[in-house]
Amino acid sequence: AQRVTQPEKLLSVFKGAPVELKCNYSYSGSPELFWYVQYSRQRLQLLLRHISRESIKGFTADLNKGETSFHLKKPFAQEEDSAMYYCALLNNAGNMLTFGGGTRLMVKP
Amino acid sequence: NAGVMQNPRHLVRRRGQEARLRCSPMKGHSHVYWYRQLPEEGLKFMVYLQKENIIDESGMPKERFSAEFPKEGPSILRIQQVVRGDSAAYFCASSPPAALTSGNTIYFGEGSWLTVV
Repeated sequence: AQRVTQPEKLLSVFKGAPVELKCNYSYSGSPELFWYVQYSRQRLQLLLRHISRESIKGFTADLNKGETSFHLKKPFAQEEDSAMYYCALLNNAGNMLTFGGGTRLMVKP
Repeated sequence: NAGVMQNPRHLVRRRGQEARLRCSPMKGHSHVYWYRQLPEEGLKFMVYLQKENIIDESGMPKERFSAEFPKEGPSILRIQQVVRGDSAAYFCASSPPAALTSGNTIYFGEGSWLTVV
């Protein structure tokens, strides 16, 4: 069975501080992982996917197969980054995402 | 393209009533997913449907919950005899027929907030 774990429900940092949102997964195949962001009471939006190796809004995430992790990082947090962040894993068939429990990021001024 | 449309955005029901949540996928999308977000919790998969077909309902409670995606019209998530514990945000998402691994992605609606009083 595939599973995604986000160990922190809440992460609070000051503006300008580095941010790391943790994500660990368990999966028997070759994983495909995503980060989604949900701003207050809005729809979830795709932030980034590991296969594209892109940086969006200053966020990056590296897949570490040895540690089965896909942590989301940003060197300098901004207040507008405050949101709920979900890590997600795509299943073998490529048609369903399993989400972690989410981490609420609060960036204080 | 209007995106994934959900309605109603907010719904209040008394215990024992029925709740019906509707989802119109993006144009060209034939796959629909329903997720539930309980207060202060993460997103939980409920059901995955294609037109006239339930593909995976492993996340659906066995009783009172049902989902359909008819040939014509929106997908419907139906909750019968609602209880207070059903209060949550229900998110619908859609994706095109091709697999997500081919570069496609899943798009979410803005959610329907159900409150049971």
